[in-house]
Amino acid sequence: GDQVEQSPSALSLHEGTGSALRCNFTTTMRAVQWFRKNSRGSLINLFYLASGTKENGRLKSAFDSKERYSTLHIRDAQLEDSGTYFCAAELDTNAYKVIFGKGTHLHVLP
Amino acid sequence: ETAVFQTPNYHVTQVGNEVSFNCKQTLGHDTMYWYKQDSKKLLKIMFSYNNKQLIVNETVPRRFSPQSSDKAHLNLRIKSVEPEDSAVYLCASSPLGYEQYFGPGTRLTVL
Repeated sequence: GDQVEQSPSALSLHEGTGSALRCNFTTTMRAVQWFRKNSRGSLINLFYLASGTKENGRLKSAFDSKERYSTLHIRDAQLEDSGTYFCAAELDTNAYKVIFGKGTHLHVLP
Repeated sequence: ETAVFQTPNYHVTQVGNEVSFNCKQTLGHDTMYWYKQDSKKLLKIMFSYNNKQLIVNETVPRRFSPQSSDKAHLNLRIKSVEPEDSAVYLCASSPLGYEQYFGPGTRLTVL
């Protein structure tokens, strides 16, 4: 089965509201990275965490290796936040092996 | 600012041809990767290279071969492409244990 389960697969938010994306891991991961795919299809780095939480503007991410999950919180959503968000996790047993979630399609509505 | 460069942006070819994609990173990273993004947009790792040494080869068909001349370059050659090879191929680099930086991708269409 999938080692990285990302949810939800799609999400609609009205401007100004917020929500959380989540990745659950079926095995121990040593680190997680969150990306957003921009309009040109490029993956933009949002966060890299080996533990704890990080915050950047309206985005906040958390990673708990022991509990096997990571979250990405978006608050005060803006139209330009629309896009596809991916988490990617490094296996604890092999840092060179990175497994991606299937992505969350976020649509921010006016 | 782009620091992982991929060429070409896209390539259309016929079944049985050979193709080669280039990737260069200017970040001084030791590790580079190739990913395949399929029609369902799922990214799957194909190869990892650390200082020109192959680290991970994720059961990809033998017609795929990574080629590295130095730690800043990691090319991907596909001998005798097949229709299922149509995808976007993404190159990335990182210092080991730190975040990955991705290139813009090469879209391959096999007719």
